[in-house]
Amino acid sequence: DIQMTQSPSSLSASVGDRVTITCQASQDISNYLNWYQQKPGKAPKLLIYDASNLETGVPSRFSGSGSGTDFTFTISSLQPEDIATYYCQQYDNLALTFGGGTKVEIK
Amino acid sequence: EVQLVESGGGLVQPGRSLRLSCAASGFTFDDYAMHWVRQAPGKGLEWVSGISWNSGSIGYADSVKGRFTISRDNAKNSLYLQMNSLRAEDTALYYCAKGSSGYYLGAFDIWGQGTMVTVSS
Repeated sequence: DIQMTQSPSSLSASVGDRVTITCQASQDISNYLNWYQQKPGKAPKLLIYDASNLETGVPSRFSGSGSGTDFTFTISSLQPEDIATYYCQQYDNLALTFGGGTKVEIK
Repeated sequence: EVQLVESGGGLVQPGRSLRLSCAASGFTFDDYAMHWVRQAPGKGLEWVSGISWNSGSIGYADSVKGRFTISRDNAKNSLYLQMNSLRAEDTALYYCAKGSSGYYLGAFDIWGQGTMVTVSS
């Protein structure tokens, strides 16, 4: 199976800060990479698909980039409602896998 | 409104079976792949199984292969997960999720609220 390594596992930032999360695949997955947001007690929500495409209705402060093995998820200006855990997910092969998650908190 | 509603969770003894169901509404069910994703208490997300629109392509995580069986009934807009030989490590909130296309390789663009499965004696 393809392993997805997310970092950091948690971070604390101030409102308005730029926040960056990375996800590394154990092998080349082209752009077959999605990002999700999960708020406490809620189901996950798709934010970014195919590495860099913003899902309909998602604020433009969220973005994604990368291809191959290295991917980046960015919140350009952190807002209080962005407090959540973020997950990457690959779909390059028949065993889909998630990264371990990054918990984002407000400083 | 697009909606997925899971049911069938509960407390079950190790080694026993349980069948989860997911009722879909608000979209053309038989156009899309469907998935089960689980989350153990306090842990991250784990994809469990996926099925293409016509059941022609099915996949399982290694952790459940040979014990769990995914199926769908397009006439009833329903997804199922038959879970046999349950173990303590299967304890989790099980989410039903809609695939972004008919094939199960892709994103999960709609999620249910989950049904809790607890495996304990």
